[in-house]
Amino acid sequence: QITLKESGPTLVEPTQTLTLTCNFSGFSLTSYGVGVGWARQPPGKAPEWLAFIYWDDEKRYNPSLQSRLTITKDTSKNQFHLTMTNMDPVDTATYFCAHRLRGADLFDYWGQGTLVTVSS
Amino acid sequence: AIRMTQSPSSLSASTGDRVTITCRASQDITPYVAWYHQKPGKAPKLLIYAATTLQSGVPSRFSGSGSGTDFTLTLSSLQSEDFGTYYCQQYHSYPFTFGPGTTVDIK
Repeated sequence: QITLKESGPTLVEPTQTLTLTCNFSGFSLTSYGVGVGWARQPPGKAPEWLAFIYWDDEKRYNPSLQSRLTITKDTSKNQFHLTMTNMDPVDTATYFCAHRLRGADLFDYWGQGTLVTVSS
Repeated sequence: AIRMTQSPSSLSASTGDRVTITCRASQDITPYVAWYHQKPGKAPKLLIYAATTLQSGVPSRFSGSGSGTDFTLTLSSLQSEDFGTYYCQQYHSYPFTFGPGTTVDIK
């Protein structure tokens, strides 16, 4: 059974850096073909894909945010992380971590999401 | 980036009704379309991928069709638990993009 859960700050001040952690179980990020990633969803809007990281440490980012994003993994702890620099109020959203469907670049299992508010 | 549009933006239907939601892409994305269902306060749930493939555990009343730039999600008999918002997503090319959503409520 695959499960994922996000953790991190709920409130971030403008210009600060956001770091989120996803703790997962039910799969291994060292297995061939496995990938995970992040998406976000501003209140009342559609989801937005942010980044993928794959079993071989290949990474993919949304080009519109690439300069601000870093995705990493810690396979020994069954965790992966997202860092987003220079946070702005428009970055207020629910952030989801998720598992990639094998063989396709989309998410089949999602965490419950964590609401991050950017405000001073 | 590939732009995704959906129609209608919202609909109201009765249980047992057949419901159809349309998604259009700004370029050919065959067959790299997925459909998700999201209830308020919950994460999206994958229903269909590769335009027509039902995700494991998803009821057979859901089906997908289409090719090129035009795709459809059909609910053959709407159930009370099907309320919420439905999103299409293209995974043909980066960045992967979602449609704006179709909100379904039960009459």
